Formats: sequence, C-alpha cells, structure tokens
Amino acid sequence: DTGVSQDPRHKITKRGQNVTFRCDPISEHNRLYWYRQTLGQGPEFLTYFQNEAQLEKSRLLSDRFSAERPKGSFSTLEIQRTEQGDSAMYLCASSVIPSGSTDTQYFGPGTRLTVL
Amino acid sequence: AQKVTQAQTEISVVEKEDVTLDCVYETRDTTYYLFWYKQPPSGELVFLIRRNSFDEQNEISGRYSWNFQKSTSSFNFTITASQVVDSAVYFCALSGSSGSARQLTFGSGTQLTVLP
Repeated sequence: DTGVSQDPRHKITKRGQNVTFRCDPISEHNRLYWYRQTLGQGPEFLTYFQNEAQLEKSRLLSDRFSAERPKGSFSTLEIQRTEQGDSAMYLCASSVIPSGSTDTQYFGPGTRLTVL
Repeated sequence: AQKVTQAQTEISVVEKEDVTLDCVYETRDTTYYLFWYKQPPSGELVFLIRRNSFDEQNEISGRYSWNFQKSTSSFNFTITASQVVDSAVYFCALSGSSGSARQLTFGSGTQLTVLP
C-alpha cells in the first residue's frame, strides 16, 4: 500500500511568481488535508476536502491560495504572487471517513517552498 | 478554540535512558482525540498513536507508552530504553469529532536527541 506522495519535494521561486503543488493521497482515502509548517513550529491547518468538496478553509488561506481536488483523487495547492512569508513546508495528509469516530491522518513527505 | 502545549523544546538523553515527552491540551469539546506524531530528519510526519477522550486506559506498545489524564488535560508519551533511531521531533496533536474540529491542532514539538 503506497503512502501519500507529494510533488515536487522542493521548490525555489522568486517573489511574485506562481507555484503549484500536487498531492496524491493513499488509494481510496476520501479525505485530504493541507497543512503548512514553518521552521521550529508544528503544522498549521490550511484546508480539507471530503471527496471533491472543499469543506473547510483556515484564515491562513489568503486569497492568493487556492486548492482543488477535481475528481476526488489528487489535489493541487496553488499560491499566486508568492511572498517571502510563504516560505514553508507544505504538507498533505489523507484519511478514510470513519464510522462513529474520527479519522487518522497519514502525511506525505511535504513540499519545501523557498521564496527568494 | 483548541490549543496544544509542549513545554519541552529540546530533550537530550543518552541511549538506553527512559524519556517522557509532555503534552498539555485545551479544548471545549466533550469528545476529542489526541495523537502523537514523529518527524524524523527526513521530514515526513509518522503517526504513532491516537487516543479517544472517553478512553483513559493507558497503553504500552513495545518501548512506547502513553499516559492520558483527563483531570490534568495531559497526554504524555514515554520511550523506554531509548535508541539513537528515536531521535526526531515529536508532535502532540488534538482534534474534535465534527465539522471544523476535524483538523489537527499541533503543539510546537519536542526535539528529542538520543546520544550513543
């Protein structure tokens, strides 16, 4: 059973450029989450999908950020007009909708973004 | 609002020593879930354990054990006979059971270094 995969693993861009990251969840996982982690901190929630529906967005997700999960499988996270403050590790996690309990999220290796 | 505090920023032990990582949480939910994740130098968050708020039975799994005390809002994690491979950042996390509470709220992590 393959885990969550993310592409690219590293991205260096210049301020003002647009970037897009991809996440492929574990097969048959219907929930997909995006988190952002800065150096020395724990991950912070950005948004999550149940199948193709985006159900929750954090206040951290400014209007420069957009996420999609068009067919309920892979997801993309786009950042427009990047700023140096966007430099972080972007983590994706997936889970299965449980019955009567909460889900356990399994994380991918992350995409490290550096904005120069 | 939910909050997780890991007061220990860094811990250093010598191999074979026991080490306990502290976690204190705040939530208004009556049903909630607590997690421990490990983040080795490779960067990928690895799920270790999940506990439900209605199950205060503590558990031992190999060299790992967990102490959940609802009365003090603590969920501590102990590694017995530590090994160099245990060196990583350990995160405690909290989630609710519905709606926006499904997201994980992480602590800031404890960097554990096990010296040979």
